[in-house]
Amino acid sequence: NAGVMQNPRHLVRRRGQEARLRCSPMKGHSHVYWYRQLPEEGLKFMVYLQKENIIDESGMPKERFSAEFPKEGPSILRIQQVVRGDSAAYFCASSPAAGSDNSPLHFGNGTRLTVT
Amino acid sequence: SQKIEQNSEALNIQEGKTATLTCNYTNYSPAYLQWYRQDPGRGPVFLLLIRENEKEKRKERLKVTFDTTLKQSLFHITASQPADSATYLCALEPTGGGNKLTFGTGTQLKVEL
Repeated sequence: NAGVMQNPRHLVRRRGQEARLRCSPMKGHSHVYWYRQLPEEGLKFMVYLQKENIIDESGMPKERFSAEFPKEGPSILRIQQVVRGDSAAYFCASSPAAGSDNSPLHFGNGTRLTVT
Repeated sequence: SQKIEQNSEALNIQEGKTATLTCNYTNYSPAYLQWYRQDPGRGPVFLLLIRENEKEKRKERLKVTFDTTLKQSLFHITASQPADSATYLCALEPTGGGNKLTFGTGTQLKVEL
C-alpha cells in the first residue's frame, strides 16, 4: 500500500528554466494539496485540487506557478521561469475527503528544488 | 495577521523523561489543531488532531491539550525514547478549512541516552 509518491526527489534548475514536480496520491485519495517549505519557515499552503478541478489556489503565486490534477495520471506543480527564490522543498499531500476531522493529510517526502 | 509560534530552540531531554512542546497562536480561531512529526529529508507524518471543543486527547505515549482561551496547545511525549528525536510541527485549520493548514516552524526534539 504505497504512500504519497513524489518525483523527482531532487531537482536542479537554472534561472529561467521550467520545473515540473509530480505527485501520485495514495490509492483511493482524490484530494491533493501542495505545500512549500522554505528554509527556516513553516510549511505554507499553495493549492488544493480534486480530480480535474482546482478548489483553492489562494496560496499560489499569481505568476509562473500552475497546478493540475488530471483525470488520469499524477498531479503536476509547474513553475515557469524559475528564480532563486523558488528554491525550497515542495510537499504534496493527499486525503480521501475534504476536511481533516476524519481524514488528515498524508504527505509525500517532497521534491527539493534548487535554482542555480 | 495570523501567527503560530513554536519554540525555535531545540529541546534536549534524557531518555525516559516527558517531553513537552508548546504551540501558541494569535489572531486565529481554529476548528482543529494538529500535530505532525517531521524527520530530516522526509515529509510530515500526522500524529494527533484535537477539536476546538476538546481539552485533551491521548494516543499511546502522546498527549495533546488545547486551551482556546490561552490560545495554546501543549504536546507531551511520555517515557521518551531516542527514536522520538525529530521536529514536531503544530498546524491549525479553520472551520471549513478543508485541510488548508497553517503550520508553525516546528520544534526540534532530541532525546539522549
